[in-house]
Amino acid sequence: AQSVTQLDSQVPVFEEAPVELRCNYSSSVSVYLFWYVQYPNQGLQLLLKYLSGSTLVESINGFEAEFNKSQTSFHLRKPSVHISDTAEYFCAVIPSSGTYKYIFGTGTRLKVLA
Amino acid sequence: DAGVIQSPRHEVTEMGQEVTLRCKPISGHDYLFWYRQTMMRGLELLIYFNNNVPIDDSGMPEDRFSAKMPNASFSTLKIQPSEPRDSAVYFCASSLGRGLRTEAFFGQGTRLTVV
Repeated sequence: AQSVTQLDSQVPVFEEAPVELRCNYSSSVSVYLFWYVQYPNQGLQLLLKYLSGSTLVESINGFEAEFNKSQTSFHLRKPSVHISDTAEYFCAVIPSSGTYKYIFGTGTRLKVLA
Repeated sequence: DAGVIQSPRHEVTEMGQEVTLRCKPISGHDYLFWYRQTMMRGLELLIYFNNNVPIDDSGMPEDRFSAKMPNASFSTLKIQPSEPRDSAVYFCASSLGRGLRTEAFFGQGTRLTVV
């Protein structure tokens, strides 16, 4: 079975500062990894994903995440945040074979301060 | 495509009443998922379907919950009878399955309040 741990429930950060949201996973098989973002009163939207290949993946709005197999991590980073990045961020995993179940972390609420 | 469509967006019902939540997945997607989101438990997978067939319903909390997918373009999640602890946001998501487009696409959710 897979599990996902997001250690930080809330992360306050000033506008234009860098941010890192942490995600660690546990799995006995290889996995695909995802970051989703949820704005208030909306569904989850895909931010970026890692399936294979380059361990560094980027989104169109400046976020990036790096898959680290040895540390079983998939941390999300942005070098300079905007007020509009305020949202809840979820890390998720799914095994690359076998049962097709997305397992989500508990989420990290990013609050960008002016 | 309009994305995953859920209805209603909000539902307020009295304890003991039957509640039916509806979902229209993205056309062509083979997988459909029902999730429940609460402050206490976060996002919980309730059940998922592949090609309209329920594959894993181990997350369905009780027999009061049931889900169906009569065809590729429609699914329902029913709670009968409803209880206050069922109050949550229920999300439907769909996916093409494994491959380069393996991500799940979520609907806007149904906020259920049982009073």
